Amino acid sequence: AQSVTQLGSHVSVSEGALVLLRCNYSSSVPPYLFWYVQYPNQGLQLLLKYTTGATLVKGINGFEAEFKKSETSFHLTKPSAHMSDAAEYFCAVSEIAGTASKLTFGTGTRLQVTL
Amino acid sequence: AAGVIQSPRHLIKEKRETATLKCYPIPRHDTVYWYQQGPGQDPQFLISFYEKMQSDKGSIPDRFSAQQFSDYHSELNMSSLELGDSALYFCASSPPGSFTDTQYFGPGTRLTVL
Repeated sequence: AQSVTQLGSHVSVSEGALVLLRCNYSSSVPPYLFWYVQYPNQGLQLLLKYTTGATLVKGINGFEAEFKKSETSFHLTKPSAHMSDAAEYFCAVSEIAGTASKLTFGTGTRLQVTL
Repeated sequence: AAGVIQSPRHLIKEKRETATLKCYPIPRHDTVYWYQQGPGQDPQFLISFYEKMQSDKGSIPDRFSAQQFSDYHSELNMSSLELGDSALYFCASSPPGSFTDTQYFGPGTRLTVL
């Protein structure tokens, strides 16, 4: 079975500072990886995904992530944090399940952005 | 753009009651997924349907059942509710295609069992 580990349940950065949220995966097959964001009392919104091809993936709101097979990592970054980035971020891996797929999520990282 | 619709958004039930959660996928999406997110937890996969047939089952209690109808909407039926069933229940849908397709999540139904 595939799994995802997110290091750091809480990350705090200053507005304008670099955001780095860590995600490592475990998979016996080439992984399909996702980052979702969840704002308070809202659903999960896709930030970006990696399936195949270019290992540096750009998403919405200025976020990007790089797939590094040698490090089994898919860390999420943003050069300059904004107050509106404060939310819970989930890394997820997709695996084939029956005739569809299913997502296995990490435990999430809560990003706090301070002035 | 149309999104996944879930109803109701909030539901309060007593222990041992039943609840039905509904999910309307994005038009032309043929696959529906249900996830449960407990307080402070990550979402856990419950069950999925592809073309109205159950595709896979996760950690879903026997007290829960679900189905996908001919119009592709799905319902999650929960009986003999327990306090531990209090959670946010997400539905997601994905379009026809490969297994790598993105799952688009609805806003969730917050179930509180008293």
